[in-house]
Amino acid sequence: DTAVSQTPKYLVTQMGNDKSIKCEQNLGHDTMYWYKQDSKKFLKIMFSYNNKELIINETVPNRFSPKSPDKAHLNLHINSLELGDSAVYFCASSQNGQGTEAFFGQGTRLTVV
Amino acid sequence: GNSVTQMEGPVTLSEEAFLTINCTYTATGYPSLFWYVQYPGEGLQLLLKATKADDKGSNKGFEATYRKETTSFHLEKGSVQVSDSAVYFCALHSGGFQKLVFGTGTRLLVSP
Repeated sequence: DTAVSQTPKYLVTQMGNDKSIKCEQNLGHDTMYWYKQDSKKFLKIMFSYNNKELIINETVPNRFSPKSPDKAHLNLHINSLELGDSAVYFCASSQNGQGTEAFFGQGTRLTVV
Repeated sequence: GNSVTQMEGPVTLSEEAFLTINCTYTATGYPSLFWYVQYPGEGLQLLLKATKADDKGSNKGFEATYRKETTSFHLEKGSVQVSDSAVYFCALHSGGFQKLVFGTGTRLLVSP
């Protein structure tokens, strides 16, 4: 019974394509996040939503568009994929985003060729 | 702004050795502090946390104490196992709808 699940686990696609990564949490949490982990394992937050509202939007190219249809889901759509977008993308959730720990999904390894 | 600094890895140890991974932070106010662990091919898992000064977080033989005077949260384990090989991330959260800020991660390699 996975707490935070994201699909797909692996995604290989060509430059210029558009792709989506889906994330769902069954923990009843209010806050969800997208993080990007580069090849050196560095984790950088991209977006945070609280109760479907955008709270944090780091300096991410506007080719990246998050969508939260309800507080249990936060999807990430990426337009016009570039080689530099290759990374592992992690979805996470926390109870209320205010100092409580975050629970992470297994990650989506995106490879742009 | 808030930041976390971790020692660079990899840290290479033999089984049953003592482990210390240093972590220091810069933050406004009184942040909560966390250690997360990432095993190969997996997502991050919370290892332990501390929410106020002098708190000690502990789990699976790992410990870390929130030291406000030195702004540190060093991770320790008395006797590491091969199964502890992973990447360890120190992180802080400064409250409100702020982001969880991670250090750069420290890879631990434990050999038999």
